[in-house]
Amino acid sequence: QVQLVQSGAEVKKPGASVRVSCKASGFTFTSYGISWVRQAPGQGLEWMGWISGYNDNADYAQRFQARVTMTTDTSTSTVYMELRSLRSDDTAVYYCARDDGSSWYTYWGQGTLVTVSS
Amino acid sequence: DIQMTQSPSSVSASVGDRVTITCRASQGIAGWLAWYQQKPGKAPKLLIFSASTLQSGVPSRFSGSGSGTDFTLTISSLQPEDFATYYCQQANSFPLTFGGGTKVEIK
Repeated sequence: QVQLVQSGAEVKKPGASVRVSCKASGFTFTSYGISWVRQAPGQGLEWMGWISGYNDNADYAQRFQARVTMTTDTSTSTVYMELRSLRSDDTAVYYCARDDGSSWYTYWGQGTLVTVSS
Repeated sequence: DIQMTQSPSSVSASVGDRVTITCRASQGIAGWLAWYQQKPGKAPKLLIFSASTLQSGVPSRFSGSGSGTDFTLTISSLQPEDFATYYCQQANSFPLTFGGGTKVEIK
């Protein structure tokens, strides 16, 4: 069955970087894209960007363009999301989700809480 | 960017009630719209895609309609497990954007 398993919770200081991983299984990794979506405490869903499992092409939301990098490792079917220059308002649960082919998302990771605090 | 505006932001309803949530896009997106349900501490769950196609396994009391800029999610007879927050999402173009959410609460 399709699974997306994310890395564990992180606590970071302002200005630091965080890398969250998302390990995929149960499907052909190179046939799908993966998006990252975050959710601040008590807030709504915010799309951060998308990366192709086929050729590493990525598309980022403008507001994260300068601070985020998404990469893939096809040998382990893992997607990584690195966010730099962390601020307190980056505190959120970060989700990876598999693009079903038309930007619908059936399968989601369990979420990774990133806390930014001094 | 395409802005998605959901209303209401919250609704109080009783089991058995009919509930309707609307979502408006700032520009036409044809039928490129999905609806998700999210419960506390859980990832979103896809309910409807292509504006009106029910995802496999989702109860038929959920339905979606609309095209262009105006969309609706209807729960025909609210069940206890339906109390949650609902989000619309446009899939017309990057950046993907979500509505602000509608919390369905117990009356």
